Amino acid sequence: DSGVTQTPKHLITATGQRVTLRCSPRSGDLSVYWYQQSLDQGLQFLIQYYNGEERAKGNILERFSAQQFPDLHSELNLSSLELGDSALYFCASSPMGGASGELFFGEGSRLTVL
Amino acid sequence: AQSVSQHNHHVILSEAASLELGCNYSYGGTVNLFWYVQYPGQHLQLLLKYFSGDPLVKGIKGFEAEFIKSKFSFNLRKPSVQWSDTAEYFCAVIANNNAGNMLTFGGGTRLMVKP
Repeated sequence: DSGVTQTPKHLITATGQRVTLRCSPRSGDLSVYWYQQSLDQGLQFLIQYYNGEERAKGNILERFSAQQFPDLHSELNLSSLELGDSALYFCASSPMGGASGELFFGEGSRLTVL
Repeated sequence: AQSVSQHNHHVILSEAASLELGCNYSYGGTVNLFWYVQYPGQHLQLLLKYFSGDPLVKGIKGFEAEFIKSKFSFNLRKPSVQWSDTAEYFCAVIANNNAGNMLTFGGGTRLMVKP
């Protein structure tokens, strides 16, 4: 158990819909990261938040947005869903800004878009 | 920006065989290097890491990796694999310059160990 909690574990929805994925970091960790894992794209970095502020942005679509709340949990919002958004979405956390690169991953939220 | 290549996408070995998974990165500066492992149905977890010092690093479960700076490589090795090593292995790199860089992963290598 990494200490990072993600909900829901599985989610099935239809194209055009909107979903929210939630992540609670390890106790004391200030940084939260979102990654998308798909068969054809591998592990793609989406976005990082550090203590409530956006820190780094990767290959995140405009239809996707995220935020980190004062209690440090984070939500990833995916809207106008397309079939290609079906993937495993991982959240990870680290104590500080993550400059060392050592991250602690949650078990992921598997999104299926039909 | 850095990138990571893992040349072996799928590897099948018998128990007790030796393992070496290749990882090459592209970045001209100092880097921190990692191997993460994802067992079936589980989250990614850190196998080993290299920040500085001895280029041969040892991780959990008998794994080790060697950083060869001249070759931009960080290959993962294990002398004798077990069935329980069946998993997907990801090499990752982050530039060590405190410039808000992101951890970049390779495409992963799926290892299947036959009993």
